[in-house]
Amino acid sequence: SQQGEEDPQALSIQEGENATMNCSYKTSINNLQWYRQNSGRGLVHLILIRSNEREKHSGRLRVTLDTSKKSSSLLITASRAADTASYFCATGETSGSRLTFGEGTQLTVNP
Amino acid sequence: DAGITQSPRHKVTETGTPVTLRCHQTENHRYMYWYRQDPGHGLRLIHYSYGVKDTDKGEVSDGYSVSRSKTEDFLLTLESATSSQTSVYFCAISGWASGSSFTDTQYFGPGTRLTVL
Repeated sequence: SQQGEEDPQALSIQEGENATMNCSYKTSINNLQWYRQNSGRGLVHLILIRSNEREKHSGRLRVTLDTSKKSSSLLITASRAADTASYFCATGETSGSRLTFGEGTQLTVNP
Repeated sequence: DAGITQSPRHKVTETGTPVTLRCHQTENHRYMYWYRQDPGHGLRLIHYSYGVKDTDKGEVSDGYSVSRSKTEDFLLTLESATSSQTSVYFCAISGWASGSSFTDTQYFGPGTRLTVL
């Protein structure tokens, strides 16, 4: 069963706009991670947030985590055409445990 | 791709034939994973390894076996390939690397596209 579920499944925006993707999960976690996958490529790690953290930033990325709602969001600000990719959340129930991935959000940024 | 290679990158085979996919890392990470990716299912874990000769099953392990005789290599074998095993297979690494602290981040290889006819 999928631990993480992303919403929406697909998102299309114009360059310069912000993109927000959400992830919900079912069980307690130690960490939640976001990955990006360009078409035909492997996944690339974007950011990791631990269960005792509420928000993390990395460049144009902002991730929030609400453990009471078992949800996370990924915000990409000032999007670019190069941000077009699939974005996956993944959860780890303990540090060092395997990850469970959601089905991903397909983001299209139109120039 | 963090020093991870997968071979072959593409393979077409026939039902009933054995297939072995190789994942090779140069990072000395302790943990290695095999996933398959299919439309509508995201990434699903097949098998993983926490060290040499230490492997365990993931959520979709039926029809697959693995071996890890060296830190750097993790082999995935389909004993008798079936059409349902047509997929893209990804290897990933994480954990402790030589001279580094522990990381939960997983680093992925480029993938192997397998077609079983």
